[in-house]
Amino acid sequence: EPEVTQTPSHQVTQMGQEVILRCVPISNHLYFYWYRQILGQKVEFLVSFYNNEISEKSEIFDDQFSVERPDGSNFTLKIRSTKLEDSAMYFCASCGGEYHSPLHFGNGTRLTVT
Amino acid sequence: DAKTTQPNSMESNEEEPVHLPCNHSTISGTDYIHWYRQLPSQGPEYVIHGLTSNVNNRMASLAIAEDRKSSTLILHRATLRDAAVYYCILRDSGGSNYKLTFGKGTLLTVNP
Repeated sequence: EPEVTQTPSHQVTQMGQEVILRCVPISNHLYFYWYRQILGQKVEFLVSFYNNEISEKSEIFDDQFSVERPDGSNFTLKIRSTKLEDSAMYFCASCGGEYHSPLHFGNGTRLTVT
Repeated sequence: DAKTTQPNSMESNEEEPVHLPCNHSTISGTDYIHWYRQLPSQGPEYVIHGLTSNVNNRMASLAIAEDRKSSTLILHRATLRDAAVYYCILRDSGGSNYKLTFGKGTLLTVNP
C-alpha cells in the first residue's frame, strides 16, 4: 500500500539555524499538508497546499515557515531561524482530493532545537 | 470544523470489544464523521469515516446515531496493538482543502 514518507526521522539543529523537512506524498494525491505536535499536546494544523500554492495556513505558520513542491514529488517545509519552541514532531500528510477521501500521514520528523 | 466531545481515556481488555463514543451535537448536514488513531511515536492513521449509514471496514465499525449527533467507533476484538489515541473529527465535505482539525481524542489502554 502506498505511503507518505518523511526524512529525516530526527533532526537536531541549533537555535537560529534553518532546517528543511522533506516529505514524499502519495504519488497521485492532490492536497498536501503539514501538521506539528509538540510533546504531550494536540496535533496542530500548519498549512495546506494545492495546485502549487498555499490554500490555507494557521496562525502558527508565520513568516519563518515556507513550503514548496519543487519537483512534483517532494513536499518540503522550511523553517528559517529556528526557535526553541519549534521543537516538535512535524507530520506531512496528503489526500487524494475527493471530498470524503482520508488524509494519509507520514510517521513524522522529530525536530529538536537546542 | 464542528466540535466533537470524547472521553479523555478508556480501558479495555485484550480480545474484548471496545466502543469509543463521540458526541457532535452541532454537526451540519455536509459534515462527514472521520476517525483517526495515533499509535505511540507514529503519525495519525485513518480508521474509518461515514456520513449517515453505519460503516464497516477491516479495522473497525462506525455506528452513527439516527440524528447524527453522536457516533461510536467499534473495535470488535481489541489487541495490544490497538492501544492508541483515537480522534473523532468532523470534516466538511464542502470545505476547500479537506484539512482535519484534531482535538485531544480518547486514549485507549488495552490490558493483556
